[in-house]
Amino acid sequence: GENVEQHPSTLSVQEGDSAVIKCTYSDSASNYFPWYKQELGKRPQLIIDIRSNVGEKKDQRIAVTLNKTAKHFSLHITETQPEDSAVYFCAAKDYGQNFVFGPGTRLSVLP
Amino acid sequence: ETGVTQSPTHLIKTRGQQVTLRCSSQSGHNTVSWYQQALGQGPQFIFQYYREEENGRGNFPPRFSGLQFPNYSSELNVNALELDDSALYLCASSPPGTSGETQYFGPGTRLLVL
Repeated sequence: GENVEQHPSTLSVQEGDSAVIKCTYSDSASNYFPWYKQELGKRPQLIIDIRSNVGEKKDQRIAVTLNKTAKHFSLHITETQPEDSAVYFCAAKDYGQNFVFGPGTRLSVLP
Repeated sequence: ETGVTQSPTHLIKTRGQQVTLRCSSQSGHNTVSWYQQALGQGPQFIFQYYREEENGRGNFPPRFSGLQFPNYSSELNVNALELDDSALYLCASSPPGTSGETQYFGPGTRLLVL
């Protein structure tokens, strides 16, 4: 079955700097890759997603890139702000509607 | 527009008991997915329901079962509770036309098994 790895597990950046979180997946049949933000004690919130027929997608300060050949995808956050501090999860979905999440990255944006 | 709601918010059970968790999908959403999130870990996919039928299942034993009702709300049932079932249980609903992919999560039910 699908396996998703995520790095780094923790990430600290200065306010205004960029943050990059990387995920790899094992199943080449996976075709949908969402990213979620989860603040402490709150529900996961979908922030951006990408499908396997697209290489890059951007939404304001957030972008996701997908490399199908290498089976990895990355989340890029530019001009980070303190409110970006949270745990970020990547996920991959295969054709069987099975969603597999990564272990998460705790991002801290220092003022 | 009402978001995804879940009940109860917290629950304490003892090993061997059975539990039912409930989820009301966001208005207009017709697909519901359930996840188990252990402390400090990512959500683990349990199953997904579409048109009242199971539409996909993760690596969970048969004692985890579910239902979806005509109004798209859903239940998660867990029989013969084990200590390791202690976790946050999240449901997520998806609007039509997204193949159950675009998911909006509820606040979760925190289950403690003693």
